[in-house]
Amino acid sequence: EAQVTQNPRYLITVTGKKLTVTCSQNMNHEYMSWYRQDPGLGLRQIYYSMNVEVTDKGDVPEGYKVSRKEKRNFPLILESPSPNQTSLYFCASSLNGASGGNEQFFGPGTRLTVL
Amino acid sequence: GDSVTQMEGPVTLSEEAFLTINCTYTATGYPSLFWYVQYPGEGLQLLLKATKADDKGSNKGFEATYRKETTSFHLEKGSVQVSDSAVYFCALKNTGTASKLTFGTGTRLQVTL
Repeated sequence: EAQVTQNPRYLITVTGKKLTVTCSQNMNHEYMSWYRQDPGLGLRQIYYSMNVEVTDKGDVPEGYKVSRKEKRNFPLILESPSPNQTSLYFCASSLNGASGGNEQFFGPGTRLTVL
Repeated sequence: GDSVTQMEGPVTLSEEAFLTINCTYTATGYPSLFWYVQYPGEGLQLLLKATKADDKGSNKGFEATYRKETTSFHLEKGSVQVSDSAVYFCALKNTGTASKLTFGTGTRLQVTL
């Protein structure tokens, strides 16, 4: 089944404790992206990757890191989480980043709480 | 920059009622427009899309027409069901923005019997 998977689905942590949220897709997609969803703000892009070893900042990259060493994986790293990073996070992928009509496929989400 | 404005929710309707969720956008160039749906506890799923002016996207009884003159992409359904209860997001993707989706804030739809 074609899908985007994220782990963990739920995470409660404390300020300053490094964490990684994994994202994997099995559709051989070139493009991958991370979004955060907050009430009243919709989804905002954190980082994206056009292909392996190619990453760039989205609208809200502060406090986050990403890497794209393999085509299928795009982990989101919070080196020193803070309470304002409490949010619902979605990973998404699409065939490529060039075509405007390409559908983005979303993972099930990771709900992160930083105490 | 690009932006999407959706009507505030929640929208509460009785089953079989007509649904309209308004969406307007601001963008340079010729963006593609999308409606995504998020069911409780799940990720977003593409509901429909339109890639150029006057295109009509449709799926599962939902429709939306890309109106460049009014910069709108309103979502409609003639007869909603309880199973349509979800959050609906309007989004655009502009050319040259590396597939970034710009989302509206979402509209929660609650359909009751």
